[in-house]
Amino acid sequence: GENVEQHPSTLSVQEGDSAVIKCTYSDSASNYFPWYKQELGKRPQLIIDIRSNVGEKKDQRIAVTLNKTAKHFSLHITETQPEDSAVYFCAASEGGGSNYKLTFGKGTLLTVNP
Amino acid sequence: DAGVTQSPTHLIKTRGQQVTLRCSPKSGHDTVSWYQQALGQGPQFIFQYYEEEERQRGNFPDRFSGHQFPNYSSELNVNALLLGDSALYLCASSWEGGNSPLHFGNGTRLTVT
Repeated sequence: GENVEQHPSTLSVQEGDSAVIKCTYSDSASNYFPWYKQELGKRPQLIIDIRSNVGEKKDQRIAVTLNKTAKHFSLHITETQPEDSAVYFCAASEGGGSNYKLTFGKGTLLTVNP
Repeated sequence: DAGVTQSPTHLIKTRGQQVTLRCSPKSGHDTVSWYQQALGQGPQFIFQYYEEEERQRGNFPDRFSGHQFPNYSSELNVNALLLGDSALYLCASSWEGGNSPLHFGNGTRLTVT
């Protein structure tokens, strides 16, 4: 089955700096890669996603890049703010399509220091 | 527009007991997936229901079972509870008809003592 590795497990940045979280996946059939943000005690919330026919996607301060050949994808947050502090999870979908099961990474605890 | 709702929010059970968790999908969604999130870990896929049938299943024992009702709501049942079943159980819904992302509920925190 699919295996998703996520690095780093913790990341601390100063407000205004950029943050980068990287994930690798094992199943070349995976074609949907969402990123979720989970604040303490709350539900995971989708912040951005990318499909395998696209190399990069951007939404304001957040961007995701995908390298299908290397089987890795990354989350980039620019101009970080204290409210960006949370656990971020990457995921990959087997079998194609967003309705199939997601395999998650172990998460990255991002701390943005004011 | 109500999102995904789960009940109860917290539950404490004893080893060997059985538990039922409930989920109502987001309005317009017809597919329900269940995930287990252990402390400090990412969610792990348990199974997915569509048209009242289990469509996919993750690596969980038969003690974990589920059901989907005609109104698309769903239940997760866990029998013969083990201490290791203590976790946050997340329900997520989506719409089969399009490239709909998963929307998660707030989860049920299950503690097995």
